[in-house]
Amino acid sequence: DVKVTQSSRYLVKRTGEKVFLECVQDMDHENMFWYRQDPGLGLRLIYFSYDVKMKEKGDIPEGYSVSREKKERFSLILESASTNQTSMYLCASSSYREVTDTQYFGPGTRLTVL
Amino acid sequence: AQTVTQSQPEMSVQEAETVTLSCTYDTSESNYYLFWYKQPPSRQMILVIRQEAYKQQNATENRFSVNFQKAAKSFSLKISDSQLGDTAMYFCAKPPLLNDMRFGAGTRLTVKP
Repeated sequence: DVKVTQSSRYLVKRTGEKVFLECVQDMDHENMFWYRQDPGLGLRLIYFSYDVKMKEKGDIPEGYSVSREKKERFSLILESASTNQTSMYLCASSSYREVTDTQYFGPGTRLTVL
Repeated sequence: AQTVTQSQPEMSVQEAETVTLSCTYDTSESNYYLFWYKQPPSRQMILVIRQEAYKQQNATENRFSVNFQKAAKSFSLKISDSQLGDTAMYFCAKPPLLNDMRFGAGTRLTVKP
């Protein structure tokens, strides 16, 4: 089974802090994704990556950056956290070897910015 | 931009009954996949069922089935014999061309005993 893990289930940070959210997958997937989930808005794509050191902006990249130095790890960075970034953050991965585009999700990190 | 629409923010159903969750989407592609994901309270998002657009037959996974209407761009999820463990947020999703995913806003389903 694919396993996607995220570094924290719950995180509380202060406005202006730099925040790192880590995601690791163990199935050698090429593609990795960061979403934020807000009530009534579903999941919105922040950034995604097709390969090591590659990144593409999603629908809401403002205020975020990402890093993918190794294939199994995809980090989301909030350079200067703001209260409107309080949300649930979900990481996912998928593989070109699966023609169905199925994404596998981590458990999520609930971030609160005070 | 491609959109996925779930028009039912919340639904409830009695245990053992059947419920249908609606989803519509927008696309210009001829072949694509569609997905329903389930997110139980405080638990991980998991895949429920997927449908390939060129297949005429509706996908079925145990008590879960879809009603895929390609011309109408409609993709509803039917849950038969509802169980308490089906209580969850359900998201309809479709990947656009570049392998990322677009999700609907979700439907919160509550199964009542």
